[in-house]
Amino acid sequence: RKEVEQDPGPFNVPEGATVAFNCTYSNSASQSFFWYRQDCRKEPKLLMSVYSSGNEDGRFTAQLNRASQYISLLIRDSKLSDSATYLCVVPGVPNDYKLSFGAGTTVTVRA
Amino acid sequence: NAGVTQTPKFQVLKTGQSMTLQCAQDMNHEYMSWYRQDPGMGLRLIHYSVGAGITDQGEVPNGYNVSRSTTEDFPLRLLSAAPSQTSVYFCASSSKRGRAEGEQYFGPGTRLTVT
Repeated sequence: RKEVEQDPGPFNVPEGATVAFNCTYSNSASQSFFWYRQDCRKEPKLLMSVYSSGNEDGRFTAQLNRASQYISLLIRDSKLSDSATYLCVVPGVPNDYKLSFGAGTTVTVRA
Repeated sequence: NAGVTQTPKFQVLKTGQSMTLQCAQDMNHEYMSWYRQDPGMGLRLIHYSVGAGITDQGEVPNGYNVSRSTTEDFPLRLLSAAPSQTSVYFCASSSKRGRAEGEQYFGPGTRLTVT
């Protein structure tokens, strides 16, 4: 089983819609989680860190379900600029500077 | 601050050639890593360093060498290029302060093609 698995999508949504997708992880000892955003042919950039049950930053909400070992990312009021690939990242245990990346979920927001 | 810089942006090699991908950061970060990204796959860790003089292997280290003589620089050497090493290579750095290890800053990437 892969350490981090994501639904690759693509999720095609109209502007203004809400879109949500999950990421499952295999190591139950993992304590922190991250969502990165990657635009086409660009470097990943940190979107959100999750250290407890969840985090919210504007239109973006991340929720952690430790019992089922998944993290979700929800985007409200989608904008065209939200079109990107979203990478789920889980640090290793105990070496949390060794990150495991999911393959990414692609979101396309259409006008 | 320039953040994390990588050179070159693009490179074409012939099988068997060697080369060094350069990576530098100006944020005084302790951790630096090299990843490769292939279509349909997540980023895979090649080598990493937790400080000057300390390096270790990641998930896919074969065919690559690294060194970390200074905090700022972390070059990746391809010893004898193979077509399987065609990929996009990203360098990243992060701070060990607090819980910031997972909050990595990435360079713009090097697109390598081996023919």
